[in-house]
Formats: sequence, structure tokens, C-alpha cells
Amino acid sequence: DQQVKQNSPSLSVQEGRISILNCDYTNSMFDYFLWYKKYPAEGPTFLISISSIKDKNEDGRFTVFLNKSAKHLSLHIVPSQPGDSAVYFCAASMPNNDMRFGAGTRLTVKP
Amino acid sequence: EPEVTQTPSHQVTQMGQEVILRCVPISNHLYFYWYRQILGQKVEFLVSFYNNEISEKSEIFDDQFSVERPDGSNFTLKIRSTKLEDSAMYFCASTLRDTNEKLFFGSGTQLSVL
Repeated sequence: DQQVKQNSPSLSVQEGRISILNCDYTNSMFDYFLWYKKYPAEGPTFLISISSIKDKNEDGRFTVFLNKSAKHLSLHIVPSQPGDSAVYFCAASMPNNDMRFGAGTRLTVKP
Repeated sequence: EPEVTQTPSHQVTQMGQEVILRCVPISNHLYFYWYRQILGQKVEFLVSFYNNEISEKSEIFDDQFSVERPDGSNFTLKIRSTKLEDSAMYFCASTLRDTNEKLFFGSGTQLSVL
């Protein structure tokens, strides 16, 4: 079941630069998309979300972009900080609240 | 900020034994979920629970699994006869409304089946 894909298992960026994490999905029934951040030994924590009726949502340093025609979303973090180093999960939800997660991308922000 | 708590943080069991994973969701939340993550793999949905009954379940959630809200605060996941492939990190989550609200996750229970 690969309805949500994060093709990059890892990403390394320099502090202060932009981090771009990508996510692709296959099921057109998804109507809500979320990003979660996970530190080691902790559960995922909610970061930012976007409804399928929008193409952009911004919250401080975090912006999520949605391209419905391409079934693609991305998370931009700018400027990146060392504390952003974590595993980032893309998630997609259907109207019945059934949520599917991607495999995660490990972001490392180097000082 | 209120949080979802899970106990124990680690559980080691023998194959074929029953295990119960415990969760205390955020007190005013109404929707409860279990997810799991096998090492190196993605987070997988197991089951959702509302109004004392299962709302949705995945194909992973077979007859060996059950959930219960025995009182007003706990939400448990029981695996009747554990298999090696049940070894994973199990996350409990809760949310207030069933409208794509963000999920609040617990820190997980690492289950190791030997």
C-alpha cells in the first residue's frame, strides 16, 4: 500500500538555508494533508496541514505547498535550524478520516 | 500542553503470549486511534474508535487485535497471541473532532516479540 510516498529517505541542509521535503500521493480521494515531525523516542507531533481546496499554507518558518494536478505536496522550512533535525512524515487523510503516512524523510540541519 | 500518555514504553513478550498496550488520551478528546511503525518502515493505521466502538480498521487489525475503553480515561490495544511480526512501535493518538483535526500522538510503546 504505497498511497503516500516520500522518495527521499534523508536530506541534509546547512543551517539558515531552505529545507524542502517532498511527498507524492496516488489516491485522489485524499482531501487533507498533514506534516508530522518525529524526534527519536517520541511520537509524531503535528506540524502543519493543508486542505485540498488550498494550494499553500504558511505558519512561521513552515510552508506547505499542494499541487493537486501533480498529486504532490512539499514542506518548506526557511530558515532551517539545527533543532529542525528530525524525521518528517507526510500524511494524507480521506473524508472518513482514514489517514495514511509516508515512510518519512530524515532531515539533518548542520550548524 | 495536554498530552497522550502510553505505558509501558517498552514491552518484551514471548511469541504466542497476550499483550495489552495502554494509553490515556487527552481528557476531552472523543476519537482514538492506534498506529504502528515497524522498524525502518512507515507509520501504519490500525484502528479508530469513537463512542465505544470501532469506526475504521485496517487489514492489519485482524482477529488477534482488539481495543477497549474500559473506563473514562484508558484506551487499550490487546494482541491475543503475539507473532514475531507484531514487533513494532505502537502509537496511540487522539483528537477532539472527526474533521481532519490534527492528531495528538503518544510517545509510543516499543513491543518486542521474541
